[in-house]
Amino acid sequence: GEDVEQSLFLSVREGDSSVINCTYTDSSSTYLYWYKQEPGAGLQLLTYIFSNMDMKQDQRLTVLLNKKDKHLSLRIADTQTGDSAIYFCAGRHSGGGADGLTFGKGTHLIIQP
Amino acid sequence: DVKVTQSSRYLVKRTGEKVFLECVQDMDHENMFWYRQDPGLGLRLIYFSYDVKMKEKGDIPEGYSVSREKKERFSLILESASTNQTSMYLCASSPVESGTGLSEQYFGPGTRLTVT
Repeated sequence: GEDVEQSLFLSVREGDSSVINCTYTDSSSTYLYWYKQEPGAGLQLLTYIFSNMDMKQDQRLTVLLNKKDKHLSLRIADTQTGDSAIYFCAGRHSGGGADGLTFGKGTHLIIQP
Repeated sequence: DVKVTQSSRYLVKRTGEKVFLECVQDMDHENMFWYRQDPGLGLRLIYFSYDVKMKEKGDIPEGYSVSREKKERFSLILESASTNQTSMYLCASSPVESGTGLSEQYFGPGTRLTVT
């Protein structure tokens, strides 16, 4: 099945850009997703990218997809304290069931003042 | 707004007890999921359901069962709770894929279960 890997922690200064990286193994995912989990809350879809795109920009968020290397990244420009959260990369779950997703372990984004 | 609700935010149970975690969604979604979230392990899929009375095992089904008698409700059952089932449990729902491959899941706030 799909294996999704991401680093567990990222620490950046407020106002700098944050880049969260993710690698995946299954290239059959039509879409790749970034979810955000704020403290004490469930996950919310932040953004996604269609697999035939290289880049998607949405305000402060930029998603880059390198299909050859199976590498996905999320860049947050001008990082704010409200961006402090856990960010999960997700791809299609290939273990059965049409709509399952496989999530990475999550990257804790820590904002330094 | 899609709403996924879970019956409890916090739950404390004793080893050996039977535990029910309930999840309800109000968007008529076909698919529902149960995950557990543990530090350093991320989200792991326990079970999912793609229709009423239908269920599929996820990556870690051992020690759990599920029930989906109505479309809006998906229950996770711990037949005999053990301390290693202490975790955050997240429920999610999603509509059937429209053929585009897009599969957004909507999550509940989670239930933090402690088994003593």
